[in-house]
Amino acid sequence: EVQLVESGGGLVQPGGSLRLSCAASGFTFSSYAMHWVRQAPGKGLEFVSAISNNGGSTYYANSVKGRFTISRDNSKNTLYLDMGSLRPEDMAVYYCARVPTNGDLWAWFDPWGQGTLVTVSS
Amino acid sequence: DIVMTQSPDSLAVSLGERATINCKSSQSVLYNSNNKNYLAWYQQRPGQPPKLLIYWASTRESGVPDRFSGSGSGTDFTLTISSLQAEDVAVYYCHQYYSTPSYTFGQGTKLEIK
Repeated sequence: EVQLVESGGGLVQPGGSLRLSCAASGFTFSSYAMHWVRQAPGKGLEFVSAISNNGGSTYYANSVKGRFTISRDNSKNTLYLDMGSLRPEDMAVYYCARVPTNGDLWAWFDPWGQGTLVTVSS
Repeated sequence: DIVMTQSPDSLAVSLGERATINCKSSQSVLYNSNNKNYLAWYQQRPGQPPKLLIYWASTRESGVPDRFSGSGSGTDFTLTISSLQAEDVAVYYCHQYYSTPSYTFGQGTKLEIK
């Protein structure tokens, strides 16, 4: 079964940092691009960041560029999102999601993880 | 960025009746070289992550009940549930993957039972 499990969310003060992880199983992780998408409480979905299957290409939403870093460790089947200079508006559930077409960086998402909540508050 | 606008924002339909959700993009998401519309639909049940229903605007994901169908081209798209079931209560999102890296989603349509 293809599965994505996020971890690392929690309460952080404005200006603080946090590292999210997404553990993948049930598929050849190194063959697929991965994304982070977030959802603020009661709101819609927002693209955050993307990384190619080999980690060689990364992309960010303008709202997080320069503050967040996406990376992956294909030997550990794990995706990461390092979040810095956190702002109250970054508070959201963060989902990792796979692009299910082998090798493509940009397409639809399937599956999505269960999400991890990041709360930014003093 | 391409703006995706869904209508209505919320919808109440009786069990067994048809539900129709619309999604309009601010510019075409039809890629002329392959004649494909770069649009997907997701279902998000309460407390759950989004689940893929439809991609390429009208291709149903494996395992998705055939009461779900997608249609449209260019800038106007529709998700139709032919006979509403109780488990279809959810928020539905459209998603364009034509303009990258500026992926955008619709604001969501909340579907309830009347």
